[in-house]
Amino acid sequence: GQQVMQIPQYQHVQEGEDFTTYCNSSTTLSNIQWYKQRPGGHPVFLIQLVKSGEVKKQKRLTFQFGEAKKNSSLHITATQTTDVGTYFCAGPGGSQGNLIFGKGTKLSVKP
Amino acid sequence: ETGVTQSPTHLIKTRGQQVTLRCSSQSGHNTVSWYQQALGQGPQFIFQYYREEENGRGNFPPRFSGLQFPNYSSELNVNALELDDSALYLCASSFTENTEAFFGQGTRLTVV
Repeated sequence: GQQVMQIPQYQHVQEGEDFTTYCNSSTTLSNIQWYKQRPGGHPVFLIQLVKSGEVKKQKRLTFQFGEAKKNSSLHITATQTTDVGTYFCAGPGGSQGNLIFGKGTKLSVKP
Repeated sequence: ETGVTQSPTHLIKTRGQQVTLRCSSQSGHNTVSWYQQALGQGPQFIFQYYREEENGRGNFPPRFSGLQFPNYSSELNVNALELDDSALYLCASSFTENTEAFFGQGTRLTVV
């Protein structure tokens, strides 16, 4: 079945360092979504990418959708302690109407 | 906050019991999805309801069932609870099946 994989599983950075998480799908995606889940919280929508090669920025966060629409990345510049949490990518699961989530990348930031 | 509310927030049940979890969708959303999130994992799709009809189902056994009501609120019912059902259960509402999902705060279910 369709799979969405994320690497790395964990990332520990010093405050001010950059961070990148990568997402790969076993199938071509019509769109990809990114969510952030703070410790003890629930997933919160960050962004949706739709077009091949699309790049979107939200302040220090840069999101990319691959040309083949099978991979995506999230890059955070100059991390802050407020960036701590788990970042998930998710793609449409097809006719079931669901989202298929990756296992997430857990980011910790040392002050 | 998203406007999606779930109840209860925490629940402890005994193996073999039944549980009902509730979700109130964000205003204007007619699609609700339920997800199970085990510790350290991403959310796993259980099923989705659109206008009171089941619109899709993930790889969960029939003892996981649901309802959506005319006001688009929803219930998740789990019968014959097993220890492995211990997880965070998330409800998410959206305008359509593939637009951004607004998650509730979840119900933490512990089966002992």
